[in-house]
Amino acid sequence: DGGITQSPKYLFRKEGQNVTLSCEQNLNHDAMYWYRQDPGQGLRLIYYSQIVNDFQKGDIAEGYSVSREKKESFPLTVTSAQKNPTAFYLCASRQGRNTEAFFGQGTRLTVV
Amino acid sequence: QKEVEQDPGPLSVPEGAIVSLNCTYSNSAFQYFMWYRQYSRKGPELLMYTYSSGNKEDGRFTAQVDKSSKYISLFIRDSQPSDSATYLCAMSPDRGSTLGRLYFGRGTQLTVWP
Repeated sequence: DGGITQSPKYLFRKEGQNVTLSCEQNLNHDAMYWYRQDPGQGLRLIYYSQIVNDFQKGDIAEGYSVSREKKESFPLTVTSAQKNPTAFYLCASRQGRNTEAFFGQGTRLTVV
Repeated sequence: QKEVEQDPGPLSVPEGAIVSLNCTYSNSAFQYFMWYRQYSRKGPELLMYTYSSGNKEDGRFTAQVDKSSKYISLFIRDSQPSDSATYLCAMSPDRGSTLGRLYFGRGTQLTVWP
């Protein structure tokens, strides 16, 4: 089945640790996105990539990093510089700028 | 001013009611419009996708775009308790420095009671 797979579903991070969230798609989509969702704040864009080996910062990129070495993969690293990382993280992809976007099922990150 | 404004609700209606959900936007470059449904602790699920102005119908759902007013709507007919979720509008420009980026509303929380 084609789709977007995010892993893990739940992730716990200790203070000062870096963690990496996985996002893989087998839809052959060019563009991929990372969003953070907090209660009452909707979706906030962290990073997006429209093509392999290229990505742009979104509105809240500080404390996060990404890579796009393969078309199907867009991992997000939450670094220790991100002071409030506890949130629900969503990955999305779309074929091109004039198509609809599809989401994964999310990763819930909690700092312990 | 945010790029996309959406009333967060909450909105509570009886089963069978017609529900109207709305978003306004400020960027005239937005040409692609989407509506998503999100159940608690799940990823958003695409409901409707429209390009430019006009109406689109899919079963109990109708999406409307009025570009002259910068206003989009989603109507749900014969609402069901299973429609209880958060509804997100999203849009995307067809030109400019943010080409390819998606902009979301905050989401409207809907409850349909039996």
